[in-house]
Amino acid sequence: DSGVTQTPKHLITATGQRVTLRCSPRSGDLSVYWYQQSLDQGLQFLIQYYNGEERAKGNILERFSAQQFPDLHSELNLSSLELGDSALYFCASSRLYGYTFGSGTRLTVV
Amino acid sequence: QKEVEQDPGPLSVPEGAIVSLNCTYSNSAFQYFMWYRQYSRKGPELLMYTYSSGNKEDGRFTAQVDKSSKYISLFIRDSQPSDSATYLCAMSEAAGNKLTFGGGTRVLVKP
Repeated sequence: DSGVTQTPKHLITATGQRVTLRCSPRSGDLSVYWYQQSLDQGLQFLIQYYNGEERAKGNILERFSAQQFPDLHSELNLSSLELGDSALYFCASSRLYGYTFGSGTRLTVV
Repeated sequence: QKEVEQDPGPLSVPEGAIVSLNCTYSNSAFQYFMWYRQYSRKGPELLMYTYSSGNKEDGRFTAQVDKSSKYISLFIRDSQPSDSATYLCAMSEAAGNKLTFGGGTRVLVKP
């Protein structure tokens, strides 16, 4: 157990739907990062939050949004889902040395 | 051109051999360099973390960073079948900044 908890582990949904992925960082970590890993793209940075505030944004689609709550857990919202959104979604948290990843949410859009 | 380049492999070696992995990058602002291991699309696991140029050793793993050449390496000594996985290099400009990953190298250690 890395200490970073992601739920759900698997998600199957239809095109056009909306889903929410949840991440709880390691105790004491203030930063949360979201990454997307598809078969042909590798790990792509989506967005970072630090202590509730958006810190950095990557190539995140407008259909995707995220937030970090006062208890530091984060949610990634994916809407108007397309087949191409099928991927593994990882969150990570960081402290002084190293970034720790959760076990991911496998999203399948059918 | 990608910011971080990594040979996708697969790299197949016999058990006990040295595994040699490397990445090249184009962003001279990168200062923190990491190697992750990922089994069957599970969560990446941090193996090595280095700052700036130099070598770092941890058990069977040695990481090298040459910022002048924009080239980093990971060596795995006495490789075991359990080392079979995808190895990802990652780097950032500052502590706490986003990580930029290479595409990963698939390694297969044969008994």
